[in-house]
Amino acid sequence: GAVVSQHPSWVICKSGTSVKIECRSLDFQATTMFWYRQFPKQSLMLMATSNEGSKATYEQGVEKDKFLINHASLTLSTLTVTSAHPEDSSFYICSARVGSGWETQYFGPGTRLLVL
Amino acid sequence: AQTVTQSQPEMSVQEAETVTLSCTYDTSESNYYLFWYKQPPSRQMILVIRQEAYKQQNATENRFSVNFQKAAKSFSLKISDSQLGDTAMYFCAFMSVRDDKIIFGKGTRLHILP
Repeated sequence: GAVVSQHPSWVICKSGTSVKIECRSLDFQATTMFWYRQFPKQSLMLMATSNEGSKATYEQGVEKDKFLINHASLTLSTLTVTSAHPEDSSFYICSARVGSGWETQYFGPGTRLLVL
Repeated sequence: AQTVTQSQPEMSVQEAETVTLSCTYDTSESNYYLFWYKQPPSRQMILVIRQEAYKQQNATENRFSVNFQKAAKSFSLKISDSQLGDTAMYFCAFMSVRDDKIIFGKGTRLHILP
């Protein structure tokens, strides 16, 4: 149980285009989902926290107009990278949690984005 | 602000040996959780072990155990009888109950040698 999927697993796009990444909890309902960014050989940096039915909370320094997050249902959150630039190339990972803070976060397999 | 420090960027040990990964953290919070996550080459993050700060007993999960020293703010991971499949990046992580966000260390790349 507790499986989180991400789609696509990798994507290549042209600079200036928008890319949508989906995060789904397959066998549980996630009240909270998190989006992380991981540069090569670096740690995971939290970008935003997404609660179902409400606006996402973005971390300091993360542009909310560039990284649009929608958590429309208890099993799906989407991250849209708008007007992508080469510096947005990274590994994006989502995680999902059932309840409150002490509950375990389950991570998706990640999406590799390459912007040309 | 909370910080997590992993002082060993990379380690290598022979298969079947025991290895200890270090982690220190800094916080003024009293109620928090500590984690060790494994990220193999597939990049899938896997929870290895979790420790609640209010528990004095060190957490164990089969071959994985922690040495939690709350006063010293130290949280090391011991892997016994290491296996080739343990080769991965290991992240120490902190989460305050109040703040509700996981903060990751920079990671330790562990190589298990045959």
